[in-house]
Amino acid sequence: GQNIDQPTEMTATEGAIVQINCTYQTSGFNGLFWYQQHAGEAPTFLSYNVLDGLEEKGRFSSFLSRSKGYSYLLLKELQMKDSASYLCAVMDSNYQLIWGAGTKLIIKP
Amino acid sequence: GAVVSQHPSWVICKSGTSVKIECRSLDFQATTMFWYRQFPKQSLMLMATSNEGSKATYEQGVEKDKFLINHASLTLSTLTVTSAHPEDSSFYICSARDLIGGSGGPTDTQYFGPGTRLTVL
Repeated sequence: GQNIDQPTEMTATEGAIVQINCTYQTSGFNGLFWYQQHAGEAPTFLSYNVLDGLEEKGRFSSFLSRSKGYSYLLLKELQMKDSASYLCAVMDSNYQLIWGAGTKLIIKP
Repeated sequence: GAVVSQHPSWVICKSGTSVKIECRSLDFQATTMFWYRQFPKQSLMLMATSNEGSKATYEQGVEKDKFLINHASLTLSTLTVTSAHPEDSSFYICSARDLIGGSGGPTDTQYFGPGTRLTVL
C-alpha cells in the first residue's frame, strides 16, 4: 500500500532550527510537496521537490532523496508564527496526492 | 502567486437543508479541483476529484448523492451538501490543480482555498 510517515509532533525554540522528516512508500513518484497549515486554516503551499537535492526558499528548505524515499523540511530562525502543522504529500504515478498525517510544530519562546 | 477562493467562509444551517460551497481559481485555469474534508485535529480527507466537464470521482465511503459536485468551468467547482445533518459539520477545503504553472509556481501543484466551516444544527 501507499504510506507517508512523518512525526506527529515536534517542539522547538524560537530562533532555533528544526528539521521535519518525511518518509514515503508510494506507487510511483511524481514529486513531493510540503504544505503549512495553521490551526483552523487551509494548507498553504511551501515547496516542491521532484529531483534529488536541496531546494532553499528563504528560511525554509526542502530536501529529497528518491532512492531512500525520504524528504525533510528545514526551518531556520524559527519564529512564533511558524507554529503550525506541516504536511508532506507525494504525487504518485496516477498524479494523485498521497498525504501524510502532518507534523504539529510547537515553538516555545 | 496562485489564489483560490472559497465561498462562503462559514455557514450555519438547519438539519435537512442543502448548502452550496463555491471554489474558484482566480489566476489560473484548473481542469481538476479537489474537495477535502477535515475534522478537528485530523488530517485532510479527500472526498472527490472534480474534472471540468465530466463527472466527479468520489473516494470510497463518500456518498455521491449527498455531496454533489459540479465543475462547469475551468475556474469554478461547487460542492453541494444535500440534506445536511449534524455529522456533516466539518471544515470543507477545496484545492485547484495548476497543471502548467500558469500561476507562476511549479507545474502540477495544488493550491488550497481558505476553507468553509459548516455547522449543521
